[in-house]
Amino acid sequence: AQSVTQLGSHVSVSEGALVLLRCNYSSSVPPYLFWYVQYPNQGLQLLLKYTSAATLVKGINGFEAEFKKSETSFHLTKPSAHMSDAAEYFCAVSDRGGADGLTFGKGTHLIIQP
Amino acid sequence: NAGVTQTPKFRILKIGQSMTLQCTQDMNHNYMYWYRQDPGMGLKLIYYSVGAGITDKGEVPNGYNVSRSTTEDFPLRLELAAPSQTSVYFCASSPGTSGGASYNEQFFGPGTRLTVL
Repeated sequence: AQSVTQLGSHVSVSEGALVLLRCNYSSSVPPYLFWYVQYPNQGLQLLLKYTSAATLVKGINGFEAEFKKSETSFHLTKPSAHMSDAAEYFCAVSDRGGADGLTFGKGTHLIIQP
Repeated sequence: NAGVTQTPKFRILKIGQSMTLQCTQDMNHNYMYWYRQDPGMGLKLIYYSVGAGITDKGEVPNGYNVSRSTTEDFPLRLELAAPSQTSVYFCASSPGTSGGASYNEQFFGPGTRLTVL
């Protein structure tokens, strides 16, 4: 069975600073990995996905993530935080491309300080 | 396209009552999912369907039932509401294997916030 661990339930950064949200996964087969963002009182929106092509994946809103098999990690980064990035971020894993559902981490709440 | 729509947005139930959460998608997606989101716990899969007439249990199916009579609709039924079912419920859909490279992306509805008292 696969699992996802997101380190830090809350992360606070200053506007303009680097954003780093950590995600480690466990999977018995090569995984598909996803980052979703959830703004208050809304559904989830896909930021980016890794599906065994390039290990560095670029997503929307300036976010990117790097798949590191040796570290079983898929950390999310953005060079310069913006106030509008304040949201809940979820890392998710699937071993069948999402056909039978995604396994989500518990989420990281990103706070942007002015 | 409206995408994935869910009704109602909010609902308060009394213990033992029943209700159906509605989910409709207009993207002709084969795969549909129901998740529940509890504070600090991420999303957990309740049920999923890979096509009309086919459903399967996820991680937390107890207390829920689903049906999939059409491609568009995937209702979630709570028969005897319990306080443990207080949660936010999300429906999602995915193109499935016919969608090519994007088939594993799930599209989420806005959610239904359910409180059981």
